[in-house]
Amino acid sequence: DVKVTQSSRYLVKRTGEKVFLECVQDMDHENMFWYRQDPGLGLRLIYFSYDVKMKEKGDIPEGYSVSREKKERFSLILESASTNQTSMYLCASSFRWGSGTVSGANVLTFGAGSRLTVL
Amino acid sequence: AQSVTQLGSHVSVSEGALVLLRCNYSSSVPPYLFWYVQYPNQGLQLLLKYTSAATLVKGINGFEAEFKKSETSFHLTKPSAHMSDAAEYFCAVTLGGGGFKTIFGAGTRLFVKA
Repeated sequence: DVKVTQSSRYLVKRTGEKVFLECVQDMDHENMFWYRQDPGLGLRLIYFSYDVKMKEKGDIPEGYSVSREKKERFSLILESASTNQTSMYLCASSFRWGSGTVSGANVLTFGAGSRLTVL
Repeated sequence: AQSVTQLGSHVSVSEGALVLLRCNYSSSVPPYLFWYVQYPNQGLQLLLKYTSAATLVKGINGFEAEFKKSETSFHLTKPSAHMSDAAEYFCAVTLGGGGFKTIFGAGTRLFVKA
């Protein structure tokens, strides 16, 4: 019954390494999101995508990039990992307004998260 | 600009006691409001949402929340806490459609004592 799958639950990387976090959803959602979760700060939006090959910066995009080549897949890329990127990363998806049910409008479905440690 | 404030990063209640988690928001237009719950080592899941219909919203597991426009609040309550309610709870606000720019509060961790 898993609907949003994040490829790695735990990763340990070294400073300067390139890191890929993969997210796949099977609900035919148009919108996909990457959030970062840190204690005391809640969830902060890194990037989102409302269609294939489209992306928009969120509130904290610096040091990150994203890729969406297929509707169901949204990847977060850390070009050169740094210790301040140690965090929990959450992927989410949702229907575009008007394309899903009224009851599903604006509702985010989350993956289980990827905990990244950068040494 | 939208913002969400959750009062209290930690709340502790006894099993069977009332649960009250506080959330205040700011928004220049009528918002959509949500409560999400996160159990240990899991992602967030929707608890309930307000989308301009009834101001008292019922969610899963006996939780409910009341939208009070005059107080810009959307507090979460449950009459009787259960041990399984121990989790972190996030209040969130969205403007417009499609979940764009959903803003989350900092979260409140609920502890339930036996």
